Parts: sequence; structure tokens; C-alpha cells
Amino acid sequence: DTAVSQTPKYLVTQMGNDKSIKCEQNLGHDTMYWYKQDSKKFLKIMFSYNNKELIINETVPNRFSPKSPDKAHLNLHINSLELGDSAVYFCASSQEGRWLAGDQETQYFGPGTRLLVL
Amino acid sequence: AQKVTQAQTEISVVEKEDVTLDCVYETRDTTYYLFWYKQPPSGELVFLIRRNSFDEQNEISGRYSWNFQKSTSSFNFTITASQVVDSAVYFCALSEGNSGYSTLTFGKGTMLLVSP
Repeated sequence: DTAVSQTPKYLVTQMGNDKSIKCEQNLGHDTMYWYKQDSKKFLKIMFSYNNKELIINETVPNRFSPKSPDKAHLNLHINSLELGDSAVYFCASSQEGRWLAGDQETQYFGPGTRLLVL
Repeated sequence: AQKVTQAQTEISVVEKEDVTLDCVYETRDTTYYLFWYKQPPSGELVFLIRRNSFDEQNEISGRYSWNFQKSTSSFNFTITASQVVDSAVYFCALSEGNSGYSTLTFGKGTMLLVSP
């Protein structure tokens, strides 16, 4: 009964390929996120969806396209993979992503997907 | 400008020692939240604590304690009587509401190595 799950856990692929990472949360949360953790462990937000609506889209190459079929799922598709895309990608979710009455909900993270582009 | 600074890149201690991980943040908001996350060698990110800007009370949870001081913009984390299982990378993070949406800005993390 994992709260936030990601598949696959490991992904090794060749440069130029297209790949997808899937994320699912069973916490009933409205907001989901994708973060990238680089080789130096630095974590940075990429995207955020609230109830299937894109609300945060950081400076990320167009080759990255998130898709949220429903509020429990947020997938990340990457086209034409490059060496620099090698990283750990974390999915997270929170009850509410909007800043309402100064209340911030904690983000809970999935186990991460380790992507290696050769 | 970096919004969350964890100046200690790596700390090594021997089991049972106390250790403090520093976190200094920068924000113009009066309302914000601070977090600590733990990333053990297995790689997952584990939530430890959330603190809002209006609550400067220190918190203790078992061997963990947090010292929030707005005057110095710091949110430090102390582990008392460290154990080998505490070995991990610890991240401090800041959430601000100025954009209307909640986003987490992480520090670069402090790697803690506890040896037996």
C-alpha cells in the first residue's frame, strides 16, 4: 500500500530514445509534482499538476512532457533522450498545491526513478 | 540568489555523538514553510518535519530536534546520540506562497555519515 509509487525504478536506455515514467498516488491528494535530482543530489521542481491542470512548468526542455490522466496519476514522457537527462526523477504529491490561507501541505515523495542514458 | 543554504556538504561523526545540520534560508515573504527531508542510501525521500513561519517553537521528536530562529533565518536540525542508521543526505527546503502555488526550493543537502 505504497502512498506514492513510480515505475520503473531503474531505466537504462540509449541516447535518442523516447521513454516514459509513471507515477501513481493513493493518498487522495489533488496535486502532483515531478522533480529532478542531478548527479550532485540537487533537487529541482520540473512540473506540478493540480486536479489534472498544469500549474507549474519550470524551465524544462520541450522534450519533457507531463501528462495527468486523472488526479491520482502523473506521467512523464521524455523524447529524444540526451546524456544530460541522466538523473533521478521523483514524483511527489500533496493535498493542496495552491497557497490558500497560508496553509501549505506537505509533499510526499515516491521512491524515485533512476534514469541512465547511454 | 540561493534561497536555501546548507553550508555543510558532508559531516562525519562517530556513533553516539550529537550532530547539528545547519540550514539558512532567504525569503521576502512573511508567510512561508520550512521542511527537512531525509534521503537514506536506498534513495527515497522521507519527510521529517514541517514548520510554518509563525511558529518559532522548537520541536523535539525522539532523538531529533529542530531549532527555528527567524532572527537569523535559520532552521537547524540536531540529532542526539547519532546512530549508523542516521547516515543519509538531509535536505532543508523552503516553500513560499508568493506565486499562488506551493513550490519547494531545496538546499543542496548535507551528507551525514555515522560510523560505528
